[in-house]
Amino acid sequence: QKEVEQNSGPLSVPEGAIASLNCTYSDRGSQSFFWYRQYSGKSPELIMFIYSNGDKEDGRFTAQLNKASQYVSLLIRDSQPSDSATYLCAVRETSYDKVIFGPGTSLSVIP
Amino acid sequence: DADVTQTPRNRITKTGKRIMLECSQTKGHDRMYWYRQDPGLGLRLIYYSFDVKDINKGEISDGYSVSRQAQAKFSLSLESAIPNQTALYFCATSDSGETQYFGPGTRLLVL
Repeated sequence: QKEVEQNSGPLSVPEGAIASLNCTYSDRGSQSFFWYRQYSGKSPELIMFIYSNGDKEDGRFTAQLNKASQYVSLLIRDSQPSDSATYLCAVRETSYDKVIFGPGTSLSVIP
Repeated sequence: DADVTQTPRNRITKTGKRIMLECSQTKGHDRMYWYRQDPGLGLRLIYYSFDVKDINKGEISDGYSVSRQAQAKFSLSLESAIPNQTALYFCATSDSGETQYFGPGTRLLVL
């Protein structure tokens, strides 16, 4: 069974700081990587995806991928209280063409 | 109107009862998924379907069955509910297996 691992948290950062969320995966052949945000009691929603090694930026969010080390991270700059949520890392399996989710990291941004 | 809908949104049932959770989508996607979410365990895949004639078991399919009645409809059944099936259930759709779009979830309590 392929695995995706994340620190469960909670991760607490002050408002305006950079939040760093990390994820490791076991399927070395994985090609697609996703970050979903889930507010309490709500459904997950996609905020970033990345396919290639390096960084991908979208507004305050930056996804970083290192395939050699099998990790993907999400940086949130200028964190806001509205960023408080659980962040799910997801990896698309190469063998079965489906996505495996990590357990999620709970982020709390303190005003 | 929401692109992915789930009914019911909340359900309380008793051990041994058969229940059905329904999912409908208007996104025109071929791929549909059922997940359950438990605290600390993230999203776990129950069943997935890549088209009407293609249904596959996920990592935790025991005790569940599904029916893909049409491209737009994918139902999940618990033949004989048990308390450890108490969870939050999500339906999701995707077009190419990349980004997944989630329904609002069904909160199920089995007494």
